[in-house]
Amino acid sequence: GAVVSQHPSRVICKSGTSVKIECRSLDFQATTMFWYRQFPKKSLMLMATSNEGSKATYEQGVEKDKFLINHASLTLSTLTVTSAHPEDSSFYICSATQGGVSTDTQYFGPGTRLTVL
Amino acid sequence: AQKVTQAQTEISVVEKEDVTLDCVYETRDTTYYLFWYKQPPSGELVFLIRRNSFDEQNEISGRYSWNFQKSTSSFNFTITASQVVDSAVYFCALSENNQGGKLIFGQGTELSVKP
Repeated sequence: GAVVSQHPSRVICKSGTSVKIECRSLDFQATTMFWYRQFPKKSLMLMATSNEGSKATYEQGVEKDKFLINHASLTLSTLTVTSAHPEDSSFYICSATQGGVSTDTQYFGPGTRLTVL
Repeated sequence: AQKVTQAQTEISVVEKEDVTLDCVYETRDTTYYLFWYKQPPSGELVFLIRRNSFDEQNEISGRYSWNFQKSTSSFNFTITASQVVDSAVYFCALSENNQGGKLIFGQGTELSVKP
């Protein structure tokens, strides 16, 4: 149980294009999903918290107009990197909580490696 | 302010050795949760354990054991008889009760187990 998938696993795009990353909870309903960014050899940085049916809460310093998050259902959240630039290249990881309490254990997806040329 | 420190950036051991990964945390909250995750080269974070602040009992799961000491604000992780498959980056993380589930991660410890 508690399986989270991400798609795509790897994407290469040209500068200026937009990229959408999907995060799905496969065997449970996720009221809350989280989006993280990880640079090589670094820890995970929380970008935003996504609650089903409401606007995402972004961490300080994260541009909400650049990183659009939609959590339209209890099993799907999407992160769209708009007008991507090389500095947006990174490893993006989502997580989801299984229970109804946001402090429940977060289960992570396999990550999406984004390369912007 | 909340903070998690994993002072060991890299550890290298030979197979079958025991190894302890240190984790020290800071929080002002009385209710909080501590986690360990494993990140193998594939990148996916694998959940290992969750412990709440009111449960100081140590836990053992196979070759893995955890030592939670509130007096020293530490939540150390020991792997007994390490194996090559244990090679990964291990993250310790903290979640406070009033922060909506936000996880604060340590810097991670890269464990290399050599045959």
